[in-house]
Amino acid sequence: KNQVEQSPQSLIILEGKNCTLQCNYTVSPFSNLRWYKQDTGRGPVSLTIMTFSENTKSNGRYTATLDADTKQSSLHITASQLSDSASYICVVTSNTGGFKTIFGAGTRLFVKA
Amino acid sequence: SAVISQKPSRDICQRGTSLTIQCQVDSQVTMMFWYRQQPGQSLTLIATANQGSEATYESGFVIDKFPISRPNLTFSTLTVSNMSPEDSSIYLCSVGVGASYNEQFFGPGTRLTVL
Repeated sequence: KNQVEQSPQSLIILEGKNCTLQCNYTVSPFSNLRWYKQDTGRGPVSLTIMTFSENTKSNGRYTATLDADTKQSSLHITASQLSDSASYICVVTSNTGGFKTIFGAGTRLFVKA
Repeated sequence: SAVISQKPSRDICQRGTSLTIQCQVDSQVTMMFWYRQQPGQSLTLIATANQGSEATYESGFVIDKFPISRPNLTFSTLTVSNMSPEDSSIYLCSVGVGASYNEQFFGPGTRLTVL
């Protein structure tokens, strides 16, 4: 069964600290993995997208890694800011002759001053 | 990239009524998607709406409840019919772009509350 599992479910960190969010998936065949940031009451905004051959991608203070062998990804946030408080959603796309996207439940990050 | 707008941004409706949500994209796209996001949950795909063909609904969603229009390559509507409090959710429009439509962009969402 195609699944995307994220951990932790929620996380509280102090402003300026780093954190790492995890994503494990069982989706096959794999096409790409994306991380989105979703502010409360807003639609998700893409942070990174990685294909099978990519194992790291950065977008400012956000760095995503992908291990296609173990089917794991992580999103590392450096020097967190209050505006980083949001839900972070891992999304995996499968190219099964169509276009199937499986969403993780998200990690809710709270950054405190 | 694609910039997506939705109307209304939020609404409060009475049970038994219907609401039509509009989705406008700033470029022509073939694949559009409608999602529902219930409180504290992740996104659930309602249907895929390609221009020129009938929408394809996911398991658990039916056309009578969620009729969709896709009159051109930049616009779509989703109607939530005969609403009940269980329909209270955020409804999001999304488009697929790029090779195999692998890149997805989302609209800001419509927050619906049904009393």
